[in-house]
Amino acid sequence: AQRVTQPEKLLSVFKGAPVELKCNYSYSGSPELFWYVQYSRQRLQLLLRHISRESIKGFTADLNKGETSFHLKKPFAQEEDSAMYYCALSFSTDSWGKLQFGSGTQVVVTP
Amino acid sequence: DGGITQSPKYLFRKEGQNVTLSCEQNLNHDAMYWYRQDPGQGLRLIYYSQIVNDFQKGDIAEGYSVSREKKESFPLTVTSAQKNPTAFYLCASSRDLNQPQHFGDGTRLSIL
Repeated sequence: AQRVTQPEKLLSVFKGAPVELKCNYSYSGSPELFWYVQYSRQRLQLLLRHISRESIKGFTADLNKGETSFHLKKPFAQEEDSAMYYCALSFSTDSWGKLQFGSGTQVVVTP
Repeated sequence: DGGITQSPKYLFRKEGQNVTLSCEQNLNHDAMYWYRQDPGQGLRLIYYSQIVNDFQKGDIAEGYSVSREKKESFPLTVTSAQKNPTAFYLCASSRDLNQPQHFGDGTRLSIL
């Protein structure tokens, strides 16, 4: 069965320090992976998707098929990065609509 | 993202009652989705619709029903068959199944 695991419920980092949010998945097919973010009092929104190879707000995520991971990284955390982050996997072979979400990681960046 | 409106924000239900959660979008999106979120868990897909008059079960469809009679509307009915309906419900939409999803603010359902 498909599964997305985010092992850290809470990640507390200091401003300016690197931050890495872990995401591991189990899926036998070719995955499409996403990171969604929810800032305080805002809606859940897409942060980045694997296929775009983008860097959004300084965040990057690399798909490691060997380790089945899609960790989210930022070299220098900012206070505005404090939010809830969800890793999501699309496991349908013919569409990306059916997403499997991880349980989320709360990031707190302290000055 | 003001294009997706969920109502009401809070909803209370007596046991044995059906209740319908509203989701409307003015983004002209073809695809719409319903998720359930419980504390400490991620979002779980209840139902999704690729296009008007079509919908498919997600991972946890039992005790729920949906309709998609109009492109902009995708109401979710929580039936009395759903034994543990207390949760936070999120609606989302996307241009099609291959595009990123846009989420509403959610509806929190509680049992009286």
